[in-house]
Amino acid sequence: AQSVTQPDIHITVSEGASLELRCNYSYGATPYLFWYVQSPGQGLQLLLKYFSGDTLVQGIKGFEAEFKRSQSSFNLRKPSVHWSDAAEYFCALDTGRRALTFGSGTRLQVQP
Amino acid sequence: DAGVIQSPRHEVTEMGQEVTLRCKPISGHDYLFWYRQTMMRGLELLIYFNNNVPIDDSGMPEDRFSAKMPNASFSTLKIQPSEPRDSAVYFCASSRSTGGVGNEQFFGPGTRLTVL
Repeated sequence: AQSVTQPDIHITVSEGASLELRCNYSYGATPYLFWYVQSPGQGLQLLLKYFSGDTLVQGIKGFEAEFKRSQSSFNLRKPSVHWSDAAEYFCALDTGRRALTFGSGTRLQVQP
Repeated sequence: DAGVIQSPRHEVTEMGQEVTLRCKPISGHDYLFWYRQTMMRGLELLIYFNNNVPIDDSGMPEDRFSAKMPNASFSTLKIQPSEPRDSAVYFCASSRSTGGVGNEQFFGPGTRLTVL
């Protein structure tokens, strides 16, 4: 069965600092991979997705993610974090059945 | 477009009562998903529909849970009888099949259910 692991439950960074959120997946083939963001009391919003091709994908709000098959990873990055980026971030995969399997999430706190 | 609409946004009920959560997907979307979010289990898929037909209900916890999609613009998730352990945020999401698998799922704002 497929699974997604987000090793970091909570991360705190200073505003303006760079950010990397880790995501590892377990699946026998290459899945479709997603990063979603959830602000407090809100639903989930898609940041970016990877299907195939270029392993570095660009998303909204200045985020990017890199797919590394050898490491079964899909880490999310942002070069300079803004206070408004404080939220919870979820990595997810779709094996082709269209339903998503989510990681446990990483809560990002941004210090001024 | 108004996005995925869920009602109610908050529901507080007593153990044993019937609870009905409602969802209106985005017009033109032919996939509809119900997810549940709890601190202990995170985000988990309960059931999803394609063209109003349930495709996978393996995530439905037990017989107390049921979901229907009578038409393309409406779905319900019902819990009867409700129990305190059902307290969670329930999300509805929709997507469209054109363009192949992996299309973006659009999430509603969720219904926060509290069972006392």
